[in-house]
Amino acid sequence: ETGVTQTPRHLVMGMTNKKSLKCEQHLGHNAMYWYKQSAKKPLELMFVYSLEERVENNSVPSRFSPECPNSSHLFLHLHTLQPEDSALYLCASSQDSHPGRGPRNYGYTFGSGTRLTVV
Amino acid sequence: AQKITQTQPGMFVQEKEAVTLDCTYDTSDQSYGLFWYKQPSSGEMIFLIYQGSYDEQNATEGRYSLNFQKARKSANLVISASQLGDSAMYFCAMREGVNAGNMLTFGGGTRLMVKP
Repeated sequence: ETGVTQTPRHLVMGMTNKKSLKCEQHLGHNAMYWYKQSAKKPLELMFVYSLEERVENNSVPSRFSPECPNSSHLFLHLHTLQPEDSALYLCASSQDSHPGRGPRNYGYTFGSGTRLTVV
Repeated sequence: AQKITQTQPGMFVQEKEAVTLDCTYDTSDQSYGLFWYKQPSSGEMIFLIYQGSYDEQNATEGRYSLNFQKARKSANLVISASQLGDSAMYFCAMREGVNAGNMLTFGGGTRLMVKP
């Protein structure tokens, strides 16, 4: 398998459920990201992991809990979500440079997303 | 302040014609990268083209080219010979460094609709 794989593709959950989104990258990248994309809103960065350590948490509610057990896997654990949390959740990865070296192209590779509906 | 601005929420283009999607950006850094992504209705963000701030020539990838005007801080995407499969959302993005702390910043997107 190549690229960034997200599972499941679609998820419907009740407000009292607990579920997890999974992201796996096969690119040898060292940074991974969770984005939220709601209808008619810009892409929102939720979490950033670099070398398996969380670098950024953009004031995301605690009902979203990320986990990065290794550089290839990223999870987003969900519990007691609200209907307004319904959105497309995108995972991405990138190869970040160390000082003194720089890849020419340091964009992100995205997965296909998980479309979440909270009922 | 908005770092990436896409002023066209939606655009129509006739099949086989060329179309330009606008993008302006704001940065005080000398070193940065500009990207365009395509997002079809399936949701996946597909990388299209990249332009580095020090690149002297405009980037091209097949039917995609980037009209990079550094002094005007614009990075417009040109799609030549539009196809029905080009109908999608298009996002312009910028990254001001290569460390994880330098995140990719996205514009609001432009929805392109190709007419047969």
